[in-house]
Amino acid sequence: DAKTTQPTSMDCAEGRAANLPCNHSTISGNEYVYWYRQIHSQGPQYIIHGLKNNETNEMASLIITEDRKSSTLILPHATLRDTAVYYCIVLYSGGGADGLTFGKGTHLIIQP
Amino acid sequence: DAGVTQSPTHLIKTRGQQVTLRCSPKSGHDTVSWYQQALGQGPQFIFQYYEEEERQRGNFPDRFSGHQFPNYSSELNVNALLLGDSALYLCASSLGWLAGGFQETQYFGPGTRLLVL
Repeated sequence: DAKTTQPTSMDCAEGRAANLPCNHSTISGNEYVYWYRQIHSQGPQYIIHGLKNNETNEMASLIITEDRKSSTLILPHATLRDTAVYYCIVLYSGGGADGLTFGKGTHLIIQP
Repeated sequence: DAGVTQSPTHLIKTRGQQVTLRCSPKSGHDTVSWYQQALGQGPQFIFQYYEEEERQRGNFPDRFSGHQFPNYSSELNVNALLLGDSALYLCASSLGWLAGGFQETQYFGPGTRLLVL
């Protein structure tokens, strides 16, 4: 799987949009970008994924650059419960479910 | 719709012992993956089971073994426990090979916290 680079930590004020960047400059054409988050001592929670188009669901939006070398996860109205470690993962789309390779992620802290 | 469940939630063992952890996948899922998460680190992939067979394996020794049952539930066994095996063990389920063509999202359980003394 391609490697990803994320900032170690970020702060965001409650109610504001949280924008979490991820670099994946070696991504190949058949690899998806996945985002998971892990709230302290819980199992990782799936957020969103995409291939090349921007995606939105009830939790977040995913913006992927045209060259696919980076992406941004957007939490539109951050709350204190969004404080967590956010993982950006690149995953081959060849069918079936492969083992996910987690890096260190970004520790997002939402400030009241 | 029940999500992924794991048991037990916490476990304390001593070095050299053996442990078995259990996982029930999300309803409708047929593939189970296991991960180990040491304190302060991201989860590390151990192995994946589909159709009762180990399909993929991460960089873990043979002390780590598993099993998948006909109802898709799974067990993770660790023999000859070491202090370094202390970690949160996570199970994730997905709809695996039947989906075809693209990756299916993995959904995680709450984990089992293992402490080896």
